[in-house]
Amino acid sequence: EAGVVQSPRYKIIEKKQPVAFWCNPISGHNTLYWYRQNLGQGPELLIRYENEEAVDDSQLPKDRFSAERLKGVDSTLKIQPAELGDSAVYLCASSQATNTIYFGEGSWLTVV
Amino acid sequence: LAKTTQPISMDSYEGQEVNITCSHNNIATNDYITWYQQFPSQGPRFIIQGYKTKVTNEVASLFIPADRKSSTLSLPRVSLSDTAVYYCLVGDIKRDDKIIFGKGTRLHILP
Repeated sequence: EAGVVQSPRYKIIEKKQPVAFWCNPISGHNTLYWYRQNLGQGPELLIRYENEEAVDDSQLPKDRFSAERLKGVDSTLKIQPAELGDSAVYLCASSQATNTIYFGEGSWLTVV
Repeated sequence: LAKTTQPISMDSYEGQEVNITCSHNNIATNDYITWYQQFPSQGPRFIIQGYKTKVTNEVASLFIPADRKSSTLSLPRVSLSDTAVYYCLVGDIKRDDKIIFGKGTRLHILP
């Protein structure tokens, strides 16, 4: 069974430019998460989806971040415009009716 | 949401058994205890999960005392490849808990 797939794996952009990350969760997993992880810190939840509905986006900086999960499967996280402080690893994860969250490899963003 | 406390870092030697203890004094009745392992440049990987007493799988054992206010992850006979950050998490995803990661424990295995 394939795990959570994310792309791109690495991205370097200049500040003020847009960037988008894509995630394909494990098949059948209705719950999808986007986390951000800064260097030396644990992952921090940005948004959680139950199917197409964003049920927790309280930590998503809505002035520049947006996310969507149109058909309840794949999801996209966008940053526009990016700032230097957005440099981090963006992790996608999924779960289904259990207490286990499965993470992807992450998308490493460097804003210069 | 139960807050967890675990050591910032630990060192051990190859072949030794490593025990990492996590405190979660405010754990709720429905909360599960889950441990994740994270290598550099990778996402966290599920290791083991338990509710009470002892759980063992092919990778580790998890010991949970009766009061459930702490838990101990036990890694038998570690190798250099066990060098990673280990996170202790407490919550009940099925109840829509927000699972909060702390800073984890940086385990460094020495030859």
